[in-house]
Amino acid sequence: EDQVTQSPEALRLQEGESSSLNCSYTVSGLRGLFWYRQDPGKGPEFLFTLYSAGEEKEKERLKATLTKKESFLHITAPKPEDSATYLCAVQWNSGYALNFGKGTSLLVTP
Amino acid sequence: DTGVSQDPRHKITKRGQNVTFRCDPISEHNRLYWYRQTLGQGPEFLTYFQNEAQLEKSRLLSDRFSAERPKGSFSTLEIQRTEQGDSAMYLCASSDIRDSPLHFGNGTRLTVT
Repeated sequence: EDQVTQSPEALRLQEGESSSLNCSYTVSGLRGLFWYRQDPGKGPEFLFTLYSAGEEKEKERLKATLTKKESFLHITAPKPEDSATYLCAVQWNSGYALNFGKGTSLLVTP
Repeated sequence: DTGVSQDPRHKITKRGQNVTFRCDPISEHNRLYWYRQTLGQGPEFLTYFQNEAQLEKSRLLSDRFSAERPKGSFSTLEIQRTEQGDSAMYLCASSDIRDSPLHFGNGTRLTVT
């Protein structure tokens, strides 16, 4: 069965300490990979879409990359306001839905 | 604000009661999705509409769940005979074309006592 796995489940960083979040997926007709940010009590907020291996997208302190089996969300010099849950979702060629991982809960401390 | 709107934001109900949630998508979006999210988990897909047609349903969508989008605009999700396991955040999302990102509302949090 197609799966989306995110790691780590939780990550604590000090302000300015760069790191990466991982999203791996079973190779089975990937149509697109999406990254979302979710704050407590809110719906997911769209960050990036990646469609093919080698593609990269950047927005402020975030950079998303895609290989044939996984995606990384790099956070450079994070700030406390970057604290949130980061969700990865995959759309397969065979369906309409986005299939989400469980997310990585990021806490950035001053 | 022209984002996805969901109503109510919170619902507390007793086990066995029926509940209905409403979703108003972004006006030009013809694709509408319902998801369910429990604490510490990612959103789980429930169902998908393209205009008024329900094109995909998850195995999670038991017979007690029904969704409609009668005129291809707003949608409702009804849960009959609620159970404690139905307690979750119910999220609605919309998009305009297949490869475009989903835009989510802030959800309806259901608590079944």
